[in-house]
Amino acid sequence: DAGVTQSPTHLIKTRGQQVTLRCSPKSGHDTVSWYQQALGQGPQFIFQYYEEEERQRGNFPDRFSGHQFPNYSSELNVNALLLGDSALYLCASSLAAGLAGIDEQYFGPGTRLTVT
Amino acid sequence: GQQLNQSPQSMFIQEGEDVSMNCTSSSIFNTWLWYKQEPGEGPVLLIALYKAGELTSNGRLTAQFGITRKDSFLNISASIPSDVGIYFCAGAYNFNKFYFGSGTKLNVKP
Repeated sequence: DAGVTQSPTHLIKTRGQQVTLRCSPKSGHDTVSWYQQALGQGPQFIFQYYEEEERQRGNFPDRFSGHQFPNYSSELNVNALLLGDSALYLCASSLAAGLAGIDEQYFGPGTRLTVT
Repeated sequence: GQQLNQSPQSMFIQEGEDVSMNCTSSSIFNTWLWYKQEPGEGPVLLIALYKAGELTSNGRLTAQFGITRKDSFLNISASIPSDVGIYFCAGAYNFNKFYFGSGTKLNVKP
């Protein structure tokens, strides 16, 4: 049973550039959430995709955008990178549990983004 | 956003000792999850709690969903060196939008 996979593992970008990170959910899951984890902190919710639409969003600027594909995989795009965007970006997948339901989330290994 | 206070921030214990950590929220949650994260890896789900008052075990780990729905506790019994890592609590009210604590770093001395 394939778990959550993310690519690339590491990435180095320059300020002002744009980056795309990718995530494949755990087999059988249809919901993907993205988190940013700064060094020494807990993960912070960026947004969540379900049925190819953004369903929930955290307190992140519009420079952060995403997409979900028909096979449930997802991309996170960050434009106009800032030094402060350096972090571990985590993807978590889950099974939608109804209108207000909640289900377990499983994380991938993350993508370490360094902005110089 | 929601504030989750997780304590203690770090712990240094001897192998074989029991460990307790907790998480409190300013708002109520419908779900609490506990994760463990090791360096360079994503968080690994340990225990999920869905009902106030619920007590759930996973091997040497036991977690409880507080009656007020604003807190949760994790206990590890008879700690071993491989328990070393950072433990995170996460709470959600709906739609799998989880808020995370800042973590408890556990160090176990053999």
